[in-house]
Amino acid sequence: KAGVTQTPRYLIKTRGQQVTLSCSPISGHRSVSWYQQTPGQGLQFLFEYFSETQRNKGNFPGRFSGRQFSNSRSEMNVSTLELGDSALYLCASSLGGIEEKLFFGSGTQLSVL
Amino acid sequence: DAKTTQPTSMDCAEGRAANLPCNHSTISGNEYVYWYRQIHSQGPQYIIHGLKNNETNEMASLIITEDRKSSTLILPHATLRDTAVYYCIVSPDSNYQLIWGAGTKLIIKP
Repeated sequence: KAGVTQTPRYLIKTRGQQVTLSCSPISGHRSVSWYQQTPGQGLQFLFEYFSETQRNKGNFPGRFSGRQFSNSRSEMNVSTLELGDSALYLCASSLGGIEEKLFFGSGTQLSVL
Repeated sequence: DAKTTQPTSMDCAEGRAANLPCNHSTISGNEYVYWYRQIHSQGPQYIIHGLKNNETNEMASLIITEDRKSSTLILPHATLRDTAVYYCIVSPDSNYQLIWGAGTKLIIKP
């Protein structure tokens, strides 16, 4: 079974630009969660989608948004990039129940210059 | 805020058992304890989880105290590839999100 695939692996952008990251979950998984990881703040929850609906959202500004498609693939978008958005963005998929293991991708390393 | 407390770092000799402690004194009766680890530059990897009873799988054992206020992850025969940051997490709240602490950086030494 293929794992969680995130693309691209690395990305360099400049301040003010926008970026879209992609996540393909494990086949059969209906939940996709997104996390931001920085050395200072650790892993922070962005949002979670289940069956194309945003089920939960973390404490990030509205510049961070996401969506999920009917095939469970998910994208997250960050508009008007700031230097502080430089981070490793991780997505995780699961079957979606409350006692479910999360399976993580390798992440997208975003650098904002 | 993270609901768990873990030591910042630990060392263990290769081939020995690595015992990683975690305090979760405010855990509620229906919350699970999960362990994940993250090897440098990779996404976190699920290890094990439990509610009340001790659990064992091919990777590790999880020992939960009777009052459920703390737990220990045991890697029975640590190898160099077990060097990673280990996260102890109390199961999602009603919003299905996990709250991650800083974890324990485990270094396995030859």
